Amino acid sequence: DTAVSQTPKYLVTQMGNDKSIKCEQNLGHDTMYWYKQDSKKFLKIMFSYNNKELIINETVPNRFSPKSPDKAHLNLHINSLELGDSAVYFCASSPGQGVTEQYFGPGTRLTVT
Amino acid sequence: GQNIDQPTEMTATEGAIVQINCTYQTSGFNGLFWYQQHAGEAPTFLSYNVLDGLEEKGRFSSFLSRSKGYSYLLLKELQMKDSASYLCAVRDSNYQLIWGAGTKLIIKP
Repeated sequence: DTAVSQTPKYLVTQMGNDKSIKCEQNLGHDTMYWYKQDSKKFLKIMFSYNNKELIINETVPNRFSPKSPDKAHLNLHINSLELGDSAVYFCASSPGQGVTEQYFGPGTRLTVT
Repeated sequence: GQNIDQPTEMTATEGAIVQINCTYQTSGFNGLFWYQQHAGEAPTFLSYNVLDGLEEKGRFSSFLSRSKGYSYLLLKELQMKDSASYLCAVRDSNYQLIWGAGTKLIIKP
């Protein structure tokens, strides 16, 4: 009965590879997010989708491409991985875009070697 | 630019009280959130303030002063399990959450 789930939990890969991280929420929420948390622990929003529509697309390299097949899923595909992509990536969801709390997935620790 | 400031680390004793401060400068204000994040885990929601004043929830309370761009999280009767990072986040005029780097709280017996 996990609310927000992500796979994989750990991902170790080499520079130049392409990888995907999957996210699913069973809360019936309309809005989903991808965050990157670097070694300094700053949480930085990357993307936000509301009912499968992209509403926030921060300045991230276009090697990162989100895909939302339905409002319960928001996957993140990363092309040509670089060393600087190493971080923890969190998926989150909320009932709407407005004044509501966000529920986070367990995170995916990506290590690029 | 937008900025959220919190102390990097604080230490407190089990059973005591600790106050974690957060100051912010953002383009607009639509609420302030506090989240708890244990090492290696996801952030979890603690509290939300949109009006000035104190919100109390069990051992945790959160205060907001919009005119001063200031909030604090007050933790009472500290327990060892409260050792974690505490993240302050402000929702700006575009309803985007701007996050602080978090305050690592160390509880000693």
